[in-house]
Amino acid sequence: LAKTTQPISMDSYEGQEVNITCSHNNIATNDYITWYQQFPSQGPRFIIQGYKTKVTNEVASLFIPADRKSSTLSLPRVSLSDTAVYYCLVGGNAGNMLTFGGGTRLMVKP
Amino acid sequence: DTAVSQTPKYLVTQMGNDKSIKCEQNLGHDTMYWYKQDSKKFLKIMFSYNNKELIINETVPNRFSPKSPDKAHLNLHINSLELGDSAVYFCASSHRTSGGSTDTQYFGPGTRLTVL
Repeated sequence: LAKTTQPISMDSYEGQEVNITCSHNNIATNDYITWYQQFPSQGPRFIIQGYKTKVTNEVASLFIPADRKSSTLSLPRVSLSDTAVYYCLVGGNAGNMLTFGGGTRLMVKP
Repeated sequence: DTAVSQTPKYLVTQMGNDKSIKCEQNLGHDTMYWYKQDSKKFLKIMFSYNNKELIINETVPNRFSPKSPDKAHLNLHINSLELGDSAVYFCASSHRTSGGSTDTQYFGPGTRLTVL
């Protein structure tokens, strides 16, 4: 299973763009990169998934360089409600057994 | 309209007891999962299950067993509870897709288990 490394925590202010980078040096050819968001006392929620280059949806963008050894989740104009833990996952292995790392705790301040 | 639901939300019990946590999904998914989130917030997969196969994380003690009466339910039964079992347990479900992408998983609200 590909291991991921993310910053433990990040601080930001309302209205700013936040970029969270995840390293996954041993990503396999068939692995996709997925990001989940978790609020306190709730289960994780899917944000975005990509394989290469750039993916954008109504919530975030995901940038993946050509070597795919890292990825960056970009949250445009964050608000206080974006305060959460963000998990980067790499996988798609048998049984879809996701491996969550420690995640990045994002704190958005007024 | 809850997609993935779990009961109970909180469970407090004594060491040595046997307990079950129930999970139901109304999304029509064919695969369900159980995760354990410890006090340090690390989320670890325990089981992946559909009507064809059960995949067990080898680090899970055999005191833990998933039981699925039908496709929409996957209950977690725990025998001889220990202090270290205290954690938040999340159920999730997904629809197995083809093409190699990781299936999007939908998580329940969690069950906080406290073993005294």
